[in-house]
Amino acid sequence: TQLLEQSPQFLSIQEGENLTVYCNSSSVFSSLQWYRQEPGEGPVLLVTVVTGGEVKKLKRLTFQFGDARKDSSLHITAAQPGDTGLYLCAYIPTQGGSEKLVFGKGTKLTVNP
Amino acid sequence: DAGITQSPRHKVTETGTPVTLRCHQTENHRYMYWYRQDPGHGLRLIHYSYGVKDTDKGEVSDGYSVSRSKTEDFLLTLESATSSQTSVYFCAISDRTSYSNEQYFGPGTRLTVT
Repeated sequence: TQLLEQSPQFLSIQEGENLTVYCNSSSVFSSLQWYRQEPGEGPVLLVTVVTGGEVKKLKRLTFQFGDARKDSSLHITAAQPGDTGLYLCAYIPTQGGSEKLVFGKGTKLTVNP
Repeated sequence: DAGITQSPRHKVTETGTPVTLRCHQTENHRYMYWYRQDPGHGLRLIHYSYGVKDTDKGEVSDGYSVSRSKTEDFLLTLESATSSQTSVYFCAISDRTSYSNEQYFGPGTRLTVT
């Protein structure tokens, strides 16, 4: 199973600031998903990236997949308190079929008013 | 939002007692999953199902069993609960129409074993 590292583990910023969180591996991903989990709720899928170098935008969130498909980043512009949550990346392991997802441990983001 | 409910949402039980958690979906998705989420460990797969009566183990299956007698229901059973099974449990579903296996999660069940 690929080791999936997310950084930073915790991030606390003020409303209006920009931030970037990262998801890295030493191996190539076939695809990568980003989820956001708000306190007391289940994770919600934000985006799936598939192609190396791909950039996807979701309002103030910009997702990028590395050219070599070993890493991904999530950039938030002008963060708002509603962005507070746990950001998780996940991939399909190459062994054992594509029924499963493996999740990183996440970045816990707090946006203070 | 995908139609997924979990019951109960909160439960406190004693060590050694059996516990069953229920996941119910209204989306007719083929795949259903049970995860546990713990600080420092993230989301870990317990068991999953790829159809009625078809299940397989995940990363942390010891001490857990599952059953799926209908497409819409996936049950997770702790035969004899232990304190190490105190956790938040999430159910997820997937239709696998996308090869990337995008999953939709329920609201979670917080289980405390005393």
